[in-house]
Amino acid sequence: EIVLTQSPGTLSLSPGERATLSCRASQSISISYLAWYQQKRGQAPRLLIYGTSSRAAGIPDRFSGSGSGTDFTLTISRLEPEDCAVYFCQQYGNSPLTFGGGTKVEIK
Amino acid sequence: EVRLVQSGAEVNKPGESLRISCQGSGYSFTSYWITWVRQMPGKGLEWMGNIDPSDSYTKYSPSFQGHVTISVDKSISTVYLQWSGLKASDTALYYCARHMDSSSWYAALDNWGQGTLVTVSS
Repeated sequence: EIVLTQSPGTLSLSPGERATLSCRASQSISISYLAWYQQKRGQAPRLLIYGTSSRAAGIPDRFSGSGSGTDFTLTISRLEPEDCAVYFCQQYGNSPLTFGGGTKVEIK
Repeated sequence: EVRLVQSGAEVNKPGESLRISCQGSGYSFTSYWITWVRQMPGKGLEWMGNIDPSDSYTKYSPSFQGHVTISVDKSISTVYLQWSGLKASDTALYYCARHMDSSSWYAALDNWGQGTLVTVSS
């Protein structure tokens, strides 16, 4: 099983700042099979990024993904108040599918 | 518009059986795998298993194999998640989600149901 470790656990930033979220895999993942999801309080998760760097439909361009091998990053270039949420990475190239533990983004 | 609509919240006792549902609409239902995800209170996301609605082929996480059953009724575009003996530790929010790419297991989850809260308590 591929274990995904996300850091930091919590990120507290001001509107307009840049957020950098990390996802580290226990073994190499093809860039084709890494996704990021946003989950706001009381809501279902929403797909943000798939294939490491492709934005899902309707996702603002302030969200971007990058990485390769075992290290992947989600960047929110200019935080907005509505970005307050928990962000999960997921690999879908190997069974079982696995998710990271999540990073909570707080807006000051 | 793609929609996944899940059945309502459930309260059950340990040992009871339960089946929750996820009905898809707005797309070719049999062309896209459906995954079930568990979220325990205040915790992260766990993949339980998934199903190809075209032929009912299922794949389970080792953590859930033998404890739950995933099935489909193509005639009503509905996927099910079923327990035959609930435990208190099954208390959680359960989501269904559609795989993004047609006929592919290797795909991100692009549309999610609203979640079904299952509470198991004596």
